[in-house]
Amino acid sequence: EAGVTQFPSHSVIEKGQTVTLRCDPISGHDNLYWYRRVMGKEIKFLLHFVKESKQDESGMPNNRFLAERTGGTYSTLKVQPAELEDSGVYFCASSQDRWTGVHFGNGTRLTVT
Amino acid sequence: KNQVEQSPQSLIILEGKNCTLQCNYTVSPFSNLRWYKQDTGRGPVSLTIMTFSENTKSNGRYTATLDADTKQSSLHITASQLSDSASYICVVISMDSSYKLIFGSGTRLLVRP
Repeated sequence: EAGVTQFPSHSVIEKGQTVTLRCDPISGHDNLYWYRRVMGKEIKFLLHFVKESKQDESGMPNNRFLAERTGGTYSTLKVQPAELEDSGVYFCASSQDRWTGVHFGNGTRLTVT
Repeated sequence: KNQVEQSPQSLIILEGKNCTLQCNYTVSPFSNLRWYKQDTGRGPVSLTIMTFSENTKSNGRYTATLDADTKQSSLHITASQLSDSASYICVVISMDSSYKLIFGSGTRLLVRP
């Protein structure tokens, strides 16, 4: 079984540019989450999809962040325009339901210069 | 405020020795607690999942304990190996935040030969 895959693994962009991160969850997992770790702090929740619907987006920091999951398969997270404080590691995760394990991808390391 | 605190922040031990990592949480209402291992440059990987009624759960050389009354958990690593060098993260899920994982800041373990 393929795990959660994220692309790209690293991205370096300038302040003001746009970046789009992609996540492919484990096949059959309806639940997809985005998390991020910034500035060496703990990993924090961004949002949660159930299939194509946003179930909880309370962790999204501001309207420069847009997440989509068209068709309920892969998801994208767009940052536009990027700011310096957006630098960090963005993790995607998926699960079948709330009682089973949550599987994480290896993350996308975003550096905004 | 829902919080997860871990100690120590970092730990160095010799190969073959045992160690215990601590986690205190203030998350309420409590659903379950998970310990994750995160290797450098990789996503977190689940080691154990414990619900309210479980006091101890083992996964190979890893043994997690949970005291739901005092809201404390520990992760004990027996006969450490060089490959145990990683960050160990305590994660708590609240009953009222359906899928949102609340992360501790982790304990960075280094096992030396």
